[in-house]
Amino acid sequence: GENVEQHPSTLSVQEGDSAVIKCTYSDSASNYFPWYKQELGKRPQLIIDIRSNVGEKKDQRIAVTLNKTAKHFSLHITETQPEDSAVYFCAARINEKLTFGTGTRLTIIP
Amino acid sequence: GAGVSQTPSNKVTEKGKYVELRCDPISGHTALYWYRQSLGQGPEFLIYFQGTGAADDSGLPNDRFFAVRPEGSVSTLKIQRTERGDSAVYLCASSPTGENTEAFFGQGTRLTVV
Repeated sequence: GENVEQHPSTLSVQEGDSAVIKCTYSDSASNYFPWYKQELGKRPQLIIDIRSNVGEKKDQRIAVTLNKTAKHFSLHITETQPEDSAVYFCAARINEKLTFGTGTRLTIIP
Repeated sequence: GAGVSQTPSNKVTEKGKYVELRCDPISGHTALYWYRQSLGQGPEFLIYFQGTGAADDSGLPNDRFFAVRPEGSVSTLKIQRTERGDSAVYLCASSPTGENTEAFFGQGTRLTVV
């Protein structure tokens, strides 16, 4: 089955700086890659997603890049703010099944 | 409803007991997923429904776990002879067609087996 690895497990950045989270996947048939943000005690919420026919997608301060050849994708958050502090999960979908990474706890230092 | 609804939000049960967890998906969503999330981990896939049928149940850990969706809407996850290792947050998600569309998650049911 699909295996998704996510790094780093924890990340602290100064407010205003950029944060990058990286994921790799194992199955080249995966074709949809969402990123979820989960605040403590709350449900995961989609923040951005990318499909396999696209290399990059941006939404305001958030961007995702996908390298299908290398089977890796990354989340980039620019101009970080305190409310960006949360756990972020990447995921890869194949045959309707989403496989999640183990998460990155992002802390924004004011 | 406006979103995916899960009940109860919290469930404490004794080891060996039977529990049922309920999920009300967003109206009209044909795909429904159950995930389990342990502390500090990512959601772990359990089972996926397309309509009334279980399209993929490969994530169910053993035969103590079973899920149904008899009318293609509400789903119930059933756990028999609960064990302490079953303690986790059980998340339900739904999506419109299941094919490369956003999955919306419920708030989850926190199950604690004592």
